[in-house]
Amino acid sequence: AQKVTQAQTEISVVEKEDVTLDCVYETRDTTYYLFWYKQPPSGELVFLIRRNSFDEQNEISGRYSWNFQKSTSSFNFTITASQVVDSAVYFCALSDALYNQGGKLIFGQGTELSVKP
Amino acid sequence: DTGVSQNPRHKITKRGQNVTFRCDPISEHNRLYWYRQTLGQGPEFLTYFQNEAQLEKSRLLSDRFSAERPKGSFSTLEIQRTEQGDSAMYLCASSSTRTGLAFFGQGTRLTVV
Repeated sequence: AQKVTQAQTEISVVEKEDVTLDCVYETRDTTYYLFWYKQPPSGELVFLIRRNSFDEQNEISGRYSWNFQKSTSSFNFTITASQVVDSAVYFCALSDALYNQGGKLIFGQGTELSVKP
Repeated sequence: DTGVSQNPRHKITKRGQNVTFRCDPISEHNRLYWYRQTLGQGPEFLTYFQNEAQLEKSRLLSDRFSAERPKGSFSTLEIQRTEQGDSAMYLCASSSTRTGLAFFGQGTRLTVV
């Protein structure tokens, strides 16, 4: 069975600190996709990144970076120099190839990030 | 606005009443998904449409829940004889077969009193 675990329920940091959100996943599929979504208080899930299981290259987008390690089944998300606007709930998610790179997603429980000024 | 639109945004209903939610996907997307999210949890998959065909239903979708997408465009999710345990955020998402990437609406928050 597929499963996503985000062990950190809540994280609180002070602005400009770096913060890493952990994600560990379980799947028996060889082809799968990993995602991070951001959910601000308005409720809408905002897509941040999608990574397929064959691409273990780390990715950086501005202050955001992602570290994918198949050996440890982890897909961690780091925010560098955090800002108050980064405060939200962040979800890691998993999808199998049957659903064409996404759509039917298995979500973790989410990590609520609070960035204080 | 070309995103996924959900109505209403909030719904308060008495236990035992029926409620219906609507989702308008991104216009060129042929796939549509419903999820349920309870407080402090991640969204859970409920059901999935490709065009007008409902291709998969989760075990979470009890007999009191029904979803339709009659013309392959908008979708409705109806809950009959609501229970307090149905209180949750109901999220809709859509995607195209070309990219597969799902985009979510802002959800309908249901409170059953």
